[in-house]
Amino acid sequence: KQEVTQIPAALSVPEGENLVLNCSFTDSAIYNLQWFRQDPGKGLTSLLLIQSSQREQTSGRLNASLDKSSGRSTLYIAASQPGDSATYLCAVLGGGADGLTFGKGTHLIIQP
Amino acid sequence: DAGVIQSPRHEVTEMGQEVTLRCKPISGHNSLFWYRQTMMRGLELLIYFNNNVPIDDSGMPEDRFSAKMPNASFSTLKIQPSEPRDSAVYFCASSSWDIGTDTQYFGPGTRLTVL
Repeated sequence: KQEVTQIPAALSVPEGENLVLNCSFTDSAIYNLQWFRQDPGKGLTSLLLIQSSQREQTSGRLNASLDKSSGRSTLYIAASQPGDSATYLCAVLGGGADGLTFGKGTHLIIQP
Repeated sequence: DAGVIQSPRHEVTEMGQEVTLRCKPISGHNSLFWYRQTMMRGLELLIYFNNNVPIDDSGMPEDRFSAKMPNASFSTLKIQPSEPRDSAVYFCASSSWDIGTDTQYFGPGTRLTVL
């Protein structure tokens, strides 16, 4: 059974810093990996999707990498802003295409 | 596009009552997913449909839970009878069945409280 782990569980940094969120998964037979953002009391917003054949994806200040063989992904946020404060979730779509398996998330606070 | 629509947004009910959650996927999407989010367990897949057909319901916690998709634009998740441990946020998501490329789009969720 696929398991997804996110480290750290919580992170608080001053505004302007670059930061890295980590995600690991136990079964490397995945179709894709998605990073989501969830604001308190809200739904999930997809940030980036990396196909299993890709190594990274970029959107604005966000860059996500994927190392499928080692079961790892990172989300890099450049020049963090208070508006980036949210919970960031990593999810993988497994080889059985049976829906996404989520990590527990990283709760990020950017201090003004 | 209005995105994935869920109703109600909030539901408070008493133990033993029937609860029905509703979802309208994005037009043109042919895959629909129901997830549940709790503090203890995080986000978990309950069931998903492809072209209105249930593909995998192994995540449904027990027989009290049932889901239907009578057509491409509507799905329901029913809990009967409801129990306090069912309290959670229930999300519906949809995507196009194009494995490896397509994003799942999530609705705003239904926050269920069972007293």
